[in-house]
Amino acid sequence: SQTIHQWPATLVQPVGSPLSLECTVEGTSNPNLYWYRQAAGRGLQLLFYSVGIGQISSEVPQNLSASRPQDRQFILSSKKLLLSDSGFYLCAWRRALGNQPQHFGDGTRLSIL
Amino acid sequence: SQQGEEDPQALSIQEGENATMNCSYKTSINNLQWYRQNSGRGLVHLILIRSNEREKHSGRLRVTLDTSKKSSSLLITASRAADTASYFCATDAIGSARQLTFGSGTQLTVLP
Repeated sequence: SQTIHQWPATLVQPVGSPLSLECTVEGTSNPNLYWYRQAAGRGLQLLFYSVGIGQISSEVPQNLSASRPQDRQFILSSKKLLLSDSGFYLCAWRRALGNQPQHFGDGTRLSIL
Repeated sequence: SQQGEEDPQALSIQEGENATMNCSYKTSINNLQWYRQNSGRGLVHLILIRSNEREKHSGRLRVTLDTSKKSSSLLITASRAADTASYFCATDAIGSARQLTFGSGTQLTVLP
């Protein structure tokens, strides 16, 4: 069976510090991968998606970046965090072809001080 | 902008009652999906309904899709306190490269 791991679960960072959130998927190959941000009480905003190694599409201009160094690894980064980067970050995967659901990790609660 | 918009934003019912949530969207879709989110957790997929389907069931869940009205509904029958969660619809729009666009969700509270 397939599983998705996302860590850390919570993170408190000062403004201006760097960020690295990691997401890994097990039990499947060549998944589509996604990073979302969710503000409190709101829906999900798609930040980045990837259809293959090294292939990243950005949906929202911001000071965040994403990388996919391996088939089942997706990393969300920032060189200098802003207060507005606070939120709940979710990683998801889906099979590449056909009508498929997305499967989510448990999320990272990021607080910027 | 949000593709799917849920209605109502919040719903409070007694255990045993049925809960109905609605979703409207704007563009042509490949499929529409419903997800559930418990507080502070990731989303869990509930049902996917294809654009050529009109109704789908899974246990106590029933989803309908009306592509002419660009709307969908999620019915939870015989609700339980454990059904308390936020429910989101998400659309897989044609030409979207299989991205999902989520609505802002319905917060369902089931009172014991």
